[in-house]
Amino acid sequence: GAVVSQHPSWVICKSGTSVKIECRSLDFQATTMFWYRQFPKQSLMLMATSNEGSKATYEQGVEKDKFLINHASLTLSTLTVTSAHPEDSSFYICSAKDRVSWVTGELFFGEGSRLTVL
Amino acid sequence: RKEVEQDPGPFNVPEGATVAFNCTYSNSASQSFFWYRQDCRKEPKLLMSVYSSGNEDGRFTAQLNRASQYISLLIRDSKLSDSATYLCVVNEVGTDKLIFGTGTRLQVFP
Repeated sequence: GAVVSQHPSWVICKSGTSVKIECRSLDFQATTMFWYRQFPKQSLMLMATSNEGSKATYEQGVEKDKFLINHASLTLSTLTVTSAHPEDSSFYICSAKDRVSWVTGELFFGEGSRLTVL
Repeated sequence: RKEVEQDPGPFNVPEGATVAFNCTYSNSASQSFFWYRQDCRKEPKLLMSVYSSGNEDGRFTAQLNRASQYISLLIRDSKLSDSATYLCVVNEVGTDKLIFGTGTRLQVFP
């Protein structure tokens, strides 16, 4: 299947700082990527849909000014958590579909980024 | 009512046992159904899609009951390596989005 790579895997930062997470599709072009967040023992919640060359579409309740998404190329989307606070500590996972999975519906996930805000 | 509901478990079973998980979904118009597996602190990975007629992949069998709006996953001859959280996933009608259940945790012991 398609390979999605995410970086960094772990990040610890101080409250008030910004953190950037990168998501790359390694062997395919992804016009659309999806950013999820998962709190402990909870389900994955879709935060936003990232579209190459245009603005991201945010889910209800997700602050677009706090979670900045940039999808400047067909293989890279970035999520920046601005002015991070302890309640933003979570597991952030990106995902994408390749040409086949747009038909099958399968999502390929990055390895995830665990953010801890002190 | 949650869009996708699962029993969180944990299900603790011995090696070799057969175990089944159910999942219910709220939107009768949903068309795509999946089971994903998620290991602790890892990303989810597709285990299998669920087709209307039911489908089997080795020790794993998935069933769909549209009338009752539930899907099931049956694991036969459980292995220690099957220990993980199993996520029920349903498409959001009219979009490309997938809705995830909270997952059912399975622990297989020797």
